[in-house]
Amino acid sequence: QLALQESGPGLVKPSEILSLTCTVSGGSISSSSYFWGWIRQTPGKGLEWLGSIYYTGTTYYNPSLKSRVTISIDASKNQFSLRLSSVTAADTAVYSCFFCSGTYYDAFDVWGQGTMVTVSS
Amino acid sequence: QSVLTQPPSASGTPGQRVTISCSGSSSNIGSNSVNWYQQLPGTAPKFLIYNDNERPSGVPDRFSGSKSGTSASLAISGLQSVDEADYYCAAWDDSLNAWLFGGGTKLTVL
Repeated sequence: QLALQESGPGLVKPSEILSLTCTVSGGSISSSSYFWGWIRQTPGKGLEWLGSIYYTGTTYYNPSLKSRVTISIDASKNQFSLRLSSVTAADTAVYSCFFCSGTYYDAFDVWGQGTMVTVSS
Repeated sequence: QSVLTQPPSASGTPGQRVTISCSGSSSNIGSNSVNWYQQLPGTAPKFLIYNDNERPSGVPDRFSGSKSGTSASLAISGLQSVDEADYYCAAWDDSLNAWLFGGGTKLTVL
């Protein structure tokens, strides 16, 4: 069964780059999967989709993040990554990776457990 | 502010039926499928309903989804204490080319 695990620094300084990795186990990220992506949840608030990457390499990003977000796949490591630049305190959140297999239409059917990232000097 | 609008809270007593609404527009709910997610306290979200009204295996048939026009609903019948959670609707928006989530509804079982 496919599982996802986020990893990365828990503390990032303002104006720097937040980088997180999602490691895929129990399956290959290179198979003809549907899409992978990232979501975040600020403390006590709701879910915010950050972006998705399809197995074709096509990416979609949250317009509100403008050009700050990048998602990429490293097939050799069976991982995909999130890069968020010019972070501020407003980017403090729990970041989770997800996978849509296409089995359940376009639902995000596999989720990582999430990792807390704090933006502070 | 979320583009998909949900009530911030809902409640019911054990055995009751509760409904959570999700309102959108023609570019999201009106033209794409709606998925619902359940987030139990301290855990990652789990998908509950997909393609407006379909349930994955393992989700009790007490949970059901429906959609009409630009609004969708999640109904939970035979309410149980284990159903206490946050519930989120989600849909793709054709104008924004982005996934939208509702603000979430906190369900309390009294």
